[in-house]
Amino acid sequence: GAGVSQSPSNKVTEKGKDVELRCDPISGHTALYWYRQSLGQGLEFLIYFQGNSAPDKSGLPSDRFSAERTGGSVSTLTIQRTQQEDSAVYLCASSSRPGVSYEQYFGPGTRLTVT
Amino acid sequence: TQLLEQSPQFLSIQEGENLTVYCNSSSVFSSLQWYRQEPGEGPVLLVTVVTGGEVKKLKRLTFQFGDARKDSSLHITAAQPGDTGLYLCAGTAIIQGAQKLVFGQGTRLTINP
Repeated sequence: GAGVSQSPSNKVTEKGKDVELRCDPISGHTALYWYRQSLGQGLEFLIYFQGNSAPDKSGLPSDRFSAERTGGSVSTLTIQRTQQEDSAVYLCASSSRPGVSYEQYFGPGTRLTVT
Repeated sequence: TQLLEQSPQFLSIQEGENLTVYCNSSSVFSSLQWYRQEPGEGPVLLVTVVTGGEVKKLKRLTFQFGDARKDSSLHITAAQPGDTGLYLCAGTAIIQGAQKLVFGQGTRLTINP
């Protein structure tokens, strides 16, 4: 079956430009997570969507970061006015159950490079 | 400051050797997960441990959760080149009033043929 997909797989952008990263979760999964993975670091939580509830945005590092999830499925992470420190791999995960204790299925990530 | 510290950060050993990777914290976790990540892919869950002192085995991999639920270890017996990858531990904790999955920085393991 189809897993979590993310696009683009790689994105190179100039400092100051806006970028949009897309995540298609596994069909039927109600929970969706965005993480950021920098070189040599573990995964850093960014945002969590669960069904129709208000998203948990507590991990977003600044107001340049925002995310939405349309129709309870596809999610888009937007970074405005990108900075070099935004360079990282952005990972999306989905889960069939709410709560982080349950298995999360990860996509392959989008590698963002800000020049 | 990392809530979960993994050691070693890098490990390169020969095929057939045994190894142990550690995941330590001063905080208590309600559960702890181990993931393996290969280049260009997302992490894949290997195991979840929830009870202090719990030991789980997955073929040549043995996972242990500390009695106080603050630490965990992953032991690999007779390592194979296919075990090469980034191993991440992640603990479930309450942060800012919500349950979060907190990741360690990872152990990059290389098994040489």
